[in-house]
Amino acid sequence: GAGVSQSPSNKVTEKGKDVELRCDPISGHTALYWYRQRLGQGLEFLIYFQGNSAPDKSGLPSDRFSAERTGESVSTLTIQRTQQEDSAVYLCASGPLAGVETQYFGPGTRLLVL
Amino acid sequence: GQQLNQSPQSMFIQEGEDVSMNCTSSSIFNTWLWYKQDPGEGPVLLIALYKAGELTSNGRLTAQFGITRKDSFLNISASIPSDVGIYFCAGQKNNQGGKLIFGQGTELSVKP
Repeated sequence: GAGVSQSPSNKVTEKGKDVELRCDPISGHTALYWYRQRLGQGLEFLIYFQGNSAPDKSGLPSDRFSAERTGESVSTLTIQRTQQEDSAVYLCASGPLAGVETQYFGPGTRLLVL
Repeated sequence: GQQLNQSPQSMFIQEGEDVSMNCTSSSIFNTWLWYKQDPGEGPVLLIALYKAGELTSNGRLTAQFGITRKDSFLNISASIPSDVGIYFCAGQKNNQGGKLIFGQGTELSVKP
């Protein structure tokens, strides 16, 4: 498909387990963003990758959260030792440049921590 | 993290009515955006505003970038059932690489 894809679409895990969420950006997009959306809330910025520059990790809520991206391809968001408050929808967006109107969002991964 | 103050939280209107929602911030933003999110989907950009005082339309949607750069509103005219969804404002500050700060959302319900 032509859009941003994310997997899994849903994930249920037990408290204390690690989870990995995957984002496949639109081909050729250099910018990639991760956001978290809690139930009934707006999106919270987590981390931003732009090409080969150092990522902006200023939104990561704790050291249990990390993300990686190889070049301009797939990104993985990892949450270690999950807590119930990590339950949320995790959304990925990509763009051809570090611009605003060019952020295209994926459908998200719904994470539930029991 | 920081969020914008968006109101109202929800609206129940009759088809054909006009709708208005707004966002305010305690700090200045250089760009304001309005998104719509349908259930199970990511947000889709509706309108982007780049200049203080700017008024921009996209079909039945009109949005304005406040003159103080601390607020924005979105109007939807002659609402239709497919307008149902959650509308988010978002702001961006220069030199932040596209990082967006979002409002809490306005949930719109349209009764046919």
